[in-house]
Amino acid sequence: EPEVTQTPSHQVTQMGQEVILRCVPISNHLYFYWYRQILGQKVEFLVSFYNNEISEKSEIFDDQFSVERPDGSNFTLKIRSTKLEDSAMYFCASTRRGAETEAFFGQGTRLTVV
Amino acid sequence: AQSVAQPEDQVNVAEGNPLTVKCTYSVSGNPYLFWYVQYPNRGLQFLLKYITGDNLVKGSYGFEAEFNKSQTSFHLKKPSALVSDSALYFCAVRDNNNFNKFYFGSGTKLNVKP
Repeated sequence: EPEVTQTPSHQVTQMGQEVILRCVPISNHLYFYWYRQILGQKVEFLVSFYNNEISEKSEIFDDQFSVERPDGSNFTLKIRSTKLEDSAMYFCASTRRGAETEAFFGQGTRLTVV
Repeated sequence: AQSVAQPEDQVNVAEGNPLTVKCTYSVSGNPYLFWYVQYPNRGLQFLLKYITGDNLVKGSYGFEAEFNKSQTSFHLKKPSALVSDSALYFCAVRDNNNFNKFYFGSGTKLNVKP
């Protein structure tokens, strides 16, 4: 069964450093998402991406965040200058076209900012 | 505005008893409703969805959910709980007018005791 894969599974970084979280969505999917979850709490929407551009972003997704699909398979989330409050589990997801399709989530990257 | 509410932070049930995890939603268009399960340190796994048609939908692991349009609810149910069902459950909604993102509830922790 196809799946969304994320790397690394755990990333520890110093405050102020840049991090890149990587995702490989399911190959025939068209919509891509990043969500984050702080300490097993609510799943928060960050950004959606379609047709090589951001289709929607939340207020969390400020200028410190960016997304890219550099080579048609990887989907990356970059945090330019990490803050302590960026510590969270980051999930990538993808869906086929259409609102009725379910999202498939990766296993997540646990980001710890120290 | 689109939103999902899960009124219970935690649900406790004895193994073998029926379980219900509650979810209510608010969307401007027709709702597409989803349930996901999250086991410790794992990503979100799709359980089931309601798009249209029969109000009772069946999903993975013996779970089912009932769509009630008048009460704007989509409660998750299982006739006989297993200890292995203990996990975090998230309800999510997608608006058919805007499928840029899923709106997630705050999650309900299900504890099934032997």
